[in-house]
Order: sequence, then structure tokens, then C-alpha cells
Amino acid sequence: GQNIDQPTEMTATEGAIVQINCTYQTSGFNGLFWYQQHAGEAPTFLSYNVLDGLEEKGRFSSFLSRSKGYSYLLLKELQMKDSASYLCAVHSNYQLIWGAGTKLIIKP
Amino acid sequence: DSGVTQTPKHLITATGQRVTLRCSPRSGDLSVYWYQQSLDQGLQFLIQYYNGEERAKGNILERFSAQQFPDLHSELNLSSLELGDSALYFCASSVGTSVGSYEQYFGPGTRLTVT
Repeated sequence: GQNIDQPTEMTATEGAIVQINCTYQTSGFNGLFWYQQHAGEAPTFLSYNVLDGLEEKGRFSSFLSRSKGYSYLLLKELQMKDSASYLCAVHSNYQLIWGAGTKLIIKP
Repeated sequence: DSGVTQTPKHLITATGQRVTLRCSPRSGDLSVYWYQQSLDQGLQFLIQYYNGEERAKGNILERFSAQQFPDLHSELNLSSLELGDSALYFCASSVGTSVGSYEQYFGPGTRLTVT
């Protein structure tokens, strides 16, 4: 079957670093997306990994290990506005398989 | 602004009624996706159209149907509405279905309240 696992909720402190993990088991793999979604708003694209390794984009980085079926999103220098849900999605056989999302709570 | 438009923004209706949600994809995008998101829940994929043809189906109820028109806009029809259908309905679009063109851009959503 197709399965994507993420922690339901995480808490971190403003200014700190947080890593949000995503593990997947899918019948095919073409790439992995991370999206950010603020409450009541539309998801917005953060990153896309196709090959193994780390992709850095400002304060956000995303890592992929295809052999382990594992990805993480790393958020540095956390700001209050980073409080949101972070969704992992795998592109598998012409469809996106979505994780349930990780709600990130930032405390001052 | 993602370039994807959805109307209406809010919709309040009664149980048993039928509603139509409308979506216009980004210019040049051929694929349209519909998602349902209930309060504090994850995104539930409903259905995908590519250039007018149904491409993939998710957890879409038989009471729900969709289509994509020649101008590529799409409509999601929800009938015999129940209280549990109250949710945010998102439309997303992407260029195509091949690798590298699969980033989805989401519209602002339609908030449906069934009373």
C-alpha cells in the first residue's frame, strides 16, 4: 500500500532549529514535496527533492534518502510566522500521496 | 497569489441541497485537482483531471462529481449534502503529470458550511 508518516505535532522555540521528519512507503517514487499551510489558508510550495541529499533554500532545507524512504524538513532561526502545518507529499505513479501534516507550534 | 481562482469563497447551505464549486487553474496548467479538508484534518484528495479527462480518483463519495471543461476550468458538484460535508474545498493546478511538472498550486479554497 501507500503510506506516509509524519509526527502529528511539534513544539519549538523562537530562534531555534526544528527538524520535521517524513517516512514513506509507496509503490513508486518520482519526487517528494514539502508544503506549508497556515490555518485556514491554502498550502504553499516549499521544496521538491528528486535526488538524495540536502536542498537548501534560505532558512529552510529539505533532505531526501530514497533508499531509506525518508525525508526531513529543517527550519532554522524559527520565527513566530513559521507556526503552521507542514505537509509531506510523494509523487508516485502520476499522483501525489499526501501525509497528514505536522502542526508546528512556535513558542516565544 | 498562486494564480488559481476559486468561487465562491464561502457557501452556507442546508442538508440535502446541491452546490457547485468552481475553479480556474493557472494559465497554462492542464491538470486540476480537488481536495477536501475538514477542520484540523489533513488534505483528502478527491479527484484529478488532466486536459478534460479524469486522471485519478481518490476518496470521492458517489454524491460528489466533477468535470473539467474545454477552457480547462473545473467544477465540483456536491449533492445530497450532509453535515459532515462541511469543510474547506481546495482546487489545485499543475502544468502536467510528468516528473518535474507536478508542483501543485493551490487556490484560496471554498469554505462550505452545511446546516
